[in-house]
Amino acid sequence: KQEVTQIPAALSVPEGENLVLNCSFTDSAIYNLQWFRQDPGKGLTSLLLIQSSQREQTSGRLNASLDKSSGRSTLYIAASQPGDSATYLCAVKSEGNNDMRFGAGTRLTVKP
Amino acid sequence: DTGVSQDPRHKITKRGQNVTFRCDPISEHNRLYWYRQTLGQGPEFLTYFQNEAQLEKSRLLSDRFSAERPKGSFSTLEIQRTEQGDSAMYLCASSSRDRLNTEAFFGQGTRLTVV
Repeated sequence: KQEVTQIPAALSVPEGENLVLNCSFTDSAIYNLQWFRQDPGKGLTSLLLIQSSQREQTSGRLNASLDKSSGRSTLYIAASQPGDSATYLCAVKSEGNNDMRFGAGTRLTVKP
Repeated sequence: DTGVSQDPRHKITKRGQNVTFRCDPISEHNRLYWYRQTLGQGPEFLTYFQNEAQLEKSRLLSDRFSAERPKGSFSTLEIQRTEQGDSAMYLCASSSRDRLNTEAFFGQGTRLTVV
């Protein structure tokens, strides 16, 4: 059974800092990994999708990497802004499965 | 707005009542998922549809829960005889039929409070 863990559970940084969020998973036989952002009381917004054959994806100030063999992914946020404050969730879709397994998320606060 | 749409956004109900939620996926998406999320946790899978066929159900989906997707378009999730433990955010997601483009898109969710 796939288990997804996100560390740290919460992170507070001053505006302008670069930061890294971590996601680990127990079964390396994955189909893809997706990073989401969730604002309080809202749904999930897709940030980046990495297919199992890819090593990284970039969108603006965001860069996500994937190391399947070690069961890890990182989300790098450059030059953080207060508007980046949200909970960031990673989700793994395993081979042969229809559903995505989520971590509990990292709650990010960027202070002005 | 052509994203995933969920209705209602909020629902407060008394214990023992039945509730029904609706999800309208992105129009060209044939895959539809329901998830449940409680405070401080990541979403948990409930059920999956491919077109109108319900192909997978989680053991979280007790016999009080039923989901349908008539004609492979919108979907409904019904909870019968609600319990306080059913209070959660219910999220719907859809994704494309394209095997090379499996990005999932979520709606804004329906927050259920059972009092």
